[in-house]
Amino acid sequence: DAKTTQPPSMDCAEGRAANLPCNHSTISGNEYVYWYRQIHSQGPQYIIHGLKNNETNEMASLIITEDRKSSTLILPHATLRDTAVYYCIVRVLSGNTPLVFGKGTRLSVIA
Amino acid sequence: DVKVTQSSRYLVKRTGEKVFLECVQDMDHENMFWYRQDPGLGLRLIYFSYDVKMKEKGDIPEGYSVSREKKERFSLILESASTNQTSMYLCASRKYGTGKLQPQHFGDGTRLSIL
Repeated sequence: DAKTTQPPSMDCAEGRAANLPCNHSTISGNEYVYWYRQIHSQGPQYIIHGLKNNETNEMASLIITEDRKSSTLILPHATLRDTAVYYCIVRVLSGNTPLVFGKGTRLSVIA
Repeated sequence: DVKVTQSSRYLVKRTGEKVFLECVQDMDHENMFWYRQDPGLGLRLIYFSYDVKMKEKGDIPEGYSVSREKKERFSLILESASTNQTSMYLCASRKYGTGKLQPQHFGDGTRLSIL
């Protein structure tokens, strides 16, 4: 079973920041938070990951609460092409274990 | 860029047929995965492979088998296709690494319909 809880859907106006929440209250000390997204008719795409510090890359920012029980993915200036299902996943950093995907959040960016 | 290629984007087969779904990756990745994706259920892991000739059952292996004879190729086999196996099938690969993030790279999927 997925260890995360996400809202099923969200809307965001084009050009505004999209803030996607994720609850992971049972996260273990050695588990990271990963985010993937899936645009329609494509396979999932890796976005970002983090352990306890906030992270930023060219795609997004990841804010993790101090108790690590929740996090927020931020797309700073959402575009129509960011419309996708966003998956929050927790697992250990490396090794052979596969990802466990939940149902994700369907983000709709509206013009 | 990593390329994960699935042999067909769309496939239509009949009940009882033996169906082969092929996946090839070009980055010498050790780990490969097969998922199916259904509306309302998200991605579910069918089988995965740590390396050549190795395989492990995922969450829903019933009715499926896999083959990993070469490192770059991971095949999913539906032994006797049934209508409840109509789904989107996604293949992924990942380089094995310790102490370092190795994200999974996905193909674009095969939409399989069993009639």
